[in-house]
Amino acid sequence: QKEVEQNSGPLSVPEGAIASLNCTYSDRGSQSFFWYRQYSGKSPELIMFIYSNGDKEDGRFTAQLNKASQYVSLLIRDSQPSDSATYLCAVAQFYSSASKIIFGSGTRLSIRP
Amino acid sequence: GAVVSQHPSRVICKSGTSVKIECRSLDFQATTMFWYRQFPKQSLMLMATSNEGSKATYEQGVEKDKFLINHASLTLSTLTVTSAHPEDSSFYICSAIGTSGFSYEQYFGPGTRLTVT
Repeated sequence: QKEVEQNSGPLSVPEGAIASLNCTYSDRGSQSFFWYRQYSGKSPELIMFIYSNGDKEDGRFTAQLNKASQYVSLLIRDSQPSDSATYLCAVAQFYSSASKIIFGSGTRLSIRP
Repeated sequence: GAVVSQHPSRVICKSGTSVKIECRSLDFQATTMFWYRQFPKQSLMLMATSNEGSKATYEQGVEKDKFLINHASLTLSTLTVTSAHPEDSSFYICSAIGTSGFSYEQYFGPGTRLTVT
């Protein structure tokens, strides 16, 4: 079992609809959870992070975390063609002496006009 | 958000030479930096974790004598690819951890595209 799993996609969503991206993780000791967006040939950029159970909203993006189910998701409302990218889920444990961040393989999202 | 820079952004070198890539956190101190490698259409692969003032921790399968990491200060980490070969051609990305209240955030540099001829 991979430590962080994502559906590779591609996930095709019509413009204006809600895109739902999912991620599961295996380490119950994980503390922080990140969503990154990566355009082809570019470095990942941080969209959101979440560390408490529940929902966290930022503009059109909502991150949802359920630690009991070891599940984190990202919702994108009013999807735009510019949202087409690969979305990476990352799960982290941070300590003063060592930190561990594990990335999923990413989900390719395509927003069709 | 915090800014992480990398230099150079692109480098082409001949097989057998060494290349140094710098990663700097510009507006925060980063006790931990990470080095990743990404091949086309693949996900990020963590190469090593670099803690300031100590030896880097390498992931399994990454040769520490080939990929030399030096984290000399709280704002600078370097990756040196020694005796580069064409199969080392890849997109190398560093990241640094900064704190934000109760949580940590990981910020990526823009990446360095290495081509070994």
